Amino acid sequence: DQQVKQNSPSLSVQEGRISILNCDYTNSMFDYFLWYKKYPAEGPTFLISISSIKDKNEDGRFTVFLNKSAKHLSLHIVPSQPGDSAVYFCAASVRGGSQGNLIFGKGTKLSVKP
Amino acid sequence: NAGVMQNPRHLVRRRGQEARLRCSPMKGHSHVYWYRQLPEEGLKFMVYLQKENIIDESGMPKERFSAEFPKEGPSILRIQQVVRGDSAAYFCASSPPGQGLGYTFGSGTRLTVV
Repeated sequence: DQQVKQNSPSLSVQEGRISILNCDYTNSMFDYFLWYKKYPAEGPTFLISISSIKDKNEDGRFTVFLNKSAKHLSLHIVPSQPGDSAVYFCAASVRGGSQGNLIFGKGTKLSVKP
Repeated sequence: NAGVMQNPRHLVRRRGQEARLRCSPMKGHSHVYWYRQLPEEGLKFMVYLQKENIIDESGMPKERFSAEFPKEGPSILRIQQVVRGDSAAYFCASSPPGQGLGYTFGSGTRLTVV
């Protein structure tokens, strides 16, 4: 039973445009969400997070939106750059952001074309 | 300041052998997490350790797998009597106390069982 779902295995976007990566979850107990980026042969790199008490968090070109009623979050990258091409993982936790384990989605492979 | 160091990067074992994966956390980090990524899957939590203590091993298979994080030296994930299904990428992450869930991952160890 997959609690965190990333239904798009891949996404292709033109350089300079917006990339929107989506993530759905089923467990209403999740209260902290994170996005990680992963290049081939490397470990995931933390990008941005959001607590369930917020609906938006922004960091430079990256913005995460949380819609709790829909159990949906999205990552917006504006403007997209070729270096953003990677696999993006959505992750969730029930620990309120304190240390514990993360539940990951299967990832979405983003390709940004010059 | 070196990142999370995992070795070896690649490990090939025959069925029935033992696999030992090592993880040296970042300097000052006393919390270590192990995750496993099967092909075409997201990362799955295995175990969370602090120095000399296992805090959460809810993701560890009940048999053949063990983990430790001694007072001195790296954290070790040990898999006894490996089987083909153990072939995966194993990632370690670390964090300092109280940081939250945006922890730092290593580059992983890719285990292949032949």
